[in-house]
Formats: sequence, structure tokens, C-alpha cells
Amino acid sequence: ETGVTQTPRHLVMGMTNKKSLKCEQHLGHNAMYWYKQSAKKPLELMFVYSLEERVENNSVPSRFSPECPNSSHLFLHLHTLQPEDSALYLCASSQDRTAYNEQFFGPGTRLTVL
Amino acid sequence: DQQVKQNSPSLSVQEGRISILNCDYTNSMFDYFLWYKKYPAEGPTFLISISSIKDKNEDGRFTVFLNKSAKHLSLHIVPSQPGDSAVYFCAASVGDSWGKLQFGAGTQVVVTP
Repeated sequence: ETGVTQTPRHLVMGMTNKKSLKCEQHLGHNAMYWYKQSAKKPLELMFVYSLEERVENNSVPSRFSPECPNSSHLFLHLHTLQPEDSALYLCASSQDRTAYNEQFFGPGTRLTVL
Repeated sequence: DQQVKQNSPSLSVQEGRISILNCDYTNSMFDYFLWYKKYPAEGPTFLISISSIKDKNEDGRFTVFLNKSAKHLSLHIVPSQPGDSAVYFCAASVGDSWGKLQFGAGTQVVVTP
């Protein structure tokens, strides 16, 4: 595997379910990110991790819970989501957390909340 | 409050001609600007960037122009090729802002034969 991978690619869940999105980067990067892209809207940064420490939480509701067990893996735990949370969730990584570093994106998980 | 705006949701251009994509921003603190390209079912991929100390950066067929006084940047693709058909996102940041990129909503480019 190369680059940034995300699983699953598609997820349908009910509002009472608990699920997790997984991201893995094979680039030796030190920073990882979660973004949300809703239909016809810009990508919105959700969380930033640098060296496994959360350095940014962009006012994201607590029903989204990130976890970064090591510099290669990033999870987004989902519980009691709302239909408006349906979106494309993208993971990215970069060499470090400064904005001057190019961010490499995974293909995303298309989430539908019923 | 959207600080980066791409006002043209779509652009159609003939193969071989120039594609010009525009992006406006409101935050004068932005000092680094990037363009990303996205194909369907794939994540965005980095295309080209420019620092605020420059007004032009060129990489092959892609050139980005920055007009700080107008808070405007543009991406020129010359010549346009069918493989350039994709969604293009403009992004901006304050350099040491913990990797916080502000993205525009994107412009869908279609290159026709």
C-alpha cells in the first residue's frame, strides 16, 4: 500500500449506530488531518494531529471522536450521528503540521446517516 | 464565514486552449496559497502553490498568479488536456497555523475535444 488509505470507502449507518473510520498513511509523515466535505461546500478541517497529539479541534461536535494511536494511523469514531452529518470524510497527512507542507489526501469515506 | 471563494462552479474549455480558474480571499493574513485537483472517487492531489512573497509560480503547464492587493489568485493551465477534467480547489493558510487550510468550494473543469 502506498500513500494514504481509508476504510471503509462507503458507510451507511443509522443515527443510533456506532462506527469508526480508519485512515493509514505510508509516507512517514508526522501530521494527520480529518476533513469533512458536504455537498457543494468547501472542505472543512475537523481535527489536526501532530506527532499523535491533537493540536486542533475545529469546533467539531462531540459525536465525532478522533483517535491517533501512532503517527501512521488515525481513526474517527462516530456515534449518534445526525442525517446532516452525511458527507465525504477525507483523511490527509503531511510531513509536519505547518501549512507550508503539502497535504496528501486519502480517497475518502462516503458516509450516509439514515 | 467563507474566507476563500471560487465563484465559478464550472468551466468548459476546448482541448489545447487556456483554462483560467479564479479564487478570491478575504483574510489578509493568508500567506500561502495552494491549488488541489480532484478526480471522482479519489482524494484531492496537490498541484501547485505560491507564497505571498511571490506573484507568480510556474510548473510545466500550470501557472499560479497572485495579486495581493486584490486578494485574488488564478490558475492558468496551458494547453488544456482532456486529463485536466477534474474539480480544482483553491486553498489558503497562514503559514504556521497548525496546517489549517481554508478551501474554496471548487471549480469543475471540463476539457472538450
